[in-house]
Amino acid sequence: DAGVTQSPTHLIKTRGQQVTLRCSPISGHKSVSWYQQVLGQGPQFIFQYYEKEERGRGNFPDRFSARQFPNYSSELNVNALLLGDSALYLCASSLTGVEPQHFGDGTRLSIL
Amino acid sequence: SQELEQSPQSLIVQEGKNLTINCTSSKTLYGLYWYKQKYGEGLIFLMMLQKGGEEKSHEKITAKLDEKKQQSSLHITASQPSHAGIYLCGAISGGSNYKLTFGKGTLLTVNP
Repeated sequence: DAGVTQSPTHLIKTRGQQVTLRCSPISGHKSVSWYQQVLGQGPQFIFQYYEKEERGRGNFPDRFSARQFPNYSSELNVNALLLGDSALYLCASSLTGVEPQHFGDGTRLSIL
Repeated sequence: SQELEQSPQSLIVQEGKNLTINCTSSKTLYGLYWYKQKYGEGLIFLMMLQKGGEEKSHEKITAKLDEKKQQSSLHITASQPSHAGIYLCGAISGGSNYKLTFGKGTLLTVNP
């Protein structure tokens, strides 16, 4: 079975632009979480979605938004990109969100 | 908010040596996860500990949870180059059972 897949793997944007990152969970998993990992730090929780509803949100500005589709895939959108948004964005899935989460390999976002 | 402190920040050992990584929480631990990450890649789930005094092993890796000390330790016996990577502890926040807070990680290098 395929694991959590994320696309694209790498992305370069400039300040002020907008970006959309995509995630496909493991088949059967209904929960998707998004994390931001800055170099040298642990991942920081951004969002969790379960059954297409937002279950929780971390301490991130409104420039960050996400949604989950009927097939349980998810998108993370970031508007008005700042240099500080440069990071590895990780998607994780689990059955209902409370079990151990399985992570994808992430999307590395670089802002110039 | 909950904070997790990992020690040491980095560790270099000779192949075959034993080692221990510690994770200390600033608040009560309701569940503790250990993940391994290769540089720039996703997180691989190792173990989850939920009860005080719980100890779990997988191959040559053993993790323990000391609820009273709000601390967990990860012990690797007879280390191998394949053990190299970043080890991250993550904890469930008391107010939610789905949001993971991570430590900054411990970078392990195993020299052949």
